[in-house]
Amino acid sequence: AQSVTQLGSHVSVSEGALVLLRCNYSSSVPPYLFWYVQYPNQGLQLLLKYTSAATLVKGINGFEAEFKKSETSFHLTKPSAHMSDAAEYFCAVSGGFNKFYFGSGTKLNVKP
Amino acid sequence: GAVVSQHPSRVICKSGTSVKIECRSLDFQATTMFWYRQFPKQSLMLMATSNEGSKATYEQGVEKDKFLINHASLTLSTLTVTSAHPEDSSFYICSARGLAGGNQETQYFGPGTRLLVL
Repeated sequence: AQSVTQLGSHVSVSEGALVLLRCNYSSSVPPYLFWYVQYPNQGLQLLLKYTSAATLVKGINGFEAEFKKSETSFHLTKPSAHMSDAAEYFCAVSGGFNKFYFGSGTKLNVKP
Repeated sequence: GAVVSQHPSRVICKSGTSVKIECRSLDFQATTMFWYRQFPKQSLMLMATSNEGSKATYEQGVEKDKFLINHASLTLSTLTVTSAHPEDSSFYICSARGLAGGNQETQYFGPGTRLLVL
């Protein structure tokens, strides 16, 4: 069984500040982990993915995430928030590239 | 890069009618396709897994007779919402799994189809 928990349904940061979005997973098999971004009325855009290679994964738009098996976490970070980062972010887990199980999402608000 | 398309992007229909949504992998062959539903302000929930040439596998609680899935080829899966009701109004997103960009297997999501049942 696999599941994902995203802590914080809403996160607000100032422009230029650190972005930290939390994701913890549960998986009975070695997990593949993903972060997606969704803008209003649009589909999902892949930010980054972990597929059992390097534990620190760099994605698009300056985002990165670190897989920590001991903490069952895959938190998403960005050193400096930009106004265009305001969107909803989903963490997902799968066993291989099979069914994806999504977290409940975190809405990121970036204040000027 | 690999692309997955959905058609239509949005559809409005009357209660009781059926609506067909297409999901296509444009530049790779998808051995498996998945259908998700996203209600407003909620996360994506997996509805079913579709394998080419075989019956779809539905998640618990999803009515297979209401949500008909056909995966007729390695590039096309369709979801038909039969006798649609207002509570079926949602954002339906498909994803396709296959070999893209060489030997790397991955999964790509379509842009979604917004269904509104009046």
